[in-house]
Amino acid sequence: QITLKESGPTLVRPAQTLTLTCTFSGFSLSTSGLGVGWIRQPPGKALEWLAIIYWDDDKRYSPSLKSRLTITRDTSKSQVVLTMTNMDPVDTGTYYCVHSRLERHFDYWGQGTLVTVSS
Amino acid sequence: QSVLTQPPSVSAAPGQKVTISCSASSSNIGNNYVSWYQQLPGTAPKLLIYENNRRPSGIPDRFSGSKSGTSATLAITGLQTGDEADYYCGTWDNSLSAHYVFGTGTKVIVL
Repeated sequence: QITLKESGPTLVRPAQTLTLTCTFSGFSLSTSGLGVGWIRQPPGKALEWLAIIYWDDDKRYSPSLKSRLTITRDTSKSQVVLTMTNMDPVDTGTYYCVHSRLERHFDYWGQGTLVTVSS
Repeated sequence: QSVLTQPPSVSAAPGQKVTISCSASSSNIGNNYVSWYQQLPGTAPKLLIYENNRRPSGIPDRFSGSKSGTSATLAITGLQTGDEADYYCGTWDNSLSAHYVFGTGTKVIVL
């Protein structure tokens, strides 16, 4: 059974760096074809894809946020970490961790974690 | 960053059919598989359709997907009150660096 769970701060100050951790089970990120990514959703708005890291350590980023994002993995801990620098109130939203297979779709989602950016 | 265009909302009575369109450029839908996600109120999205028209285990055949050129469509037949949710299409975009794009989202309203 594949599960993913996001963890991190619920409140971040403007200009600070956000660090989110996705802890997963039921698969290994060293398995060929698999990836773990991040997707966010501002309150009442649409989904926005952020980044993904693959079994071979290949990484992809949203072009509009690439300069602010870093995604890394710790295969031994079954964790993927996303950092986002220079946080702004517009970055407020729910951040989801997702499992990807064959670089196509996201078949498992975490429950999401709400991050509020406010002074 | 490219975006997939969906109608803001569609509605129909229980038992009826609704269709949701998803359109964009050839650098994404035209060359890649489309997926659809259902987001029930207050919950995380769930994969509904993948590779244009395939359903994950447990998804009823009332939900179907199709793709033609640079557009994709999600159809829901035998509409139920439990289908009231937001629906998003998504696909990879190969322009510049490869990245994933979601649609603008469509709210299905069951009258």
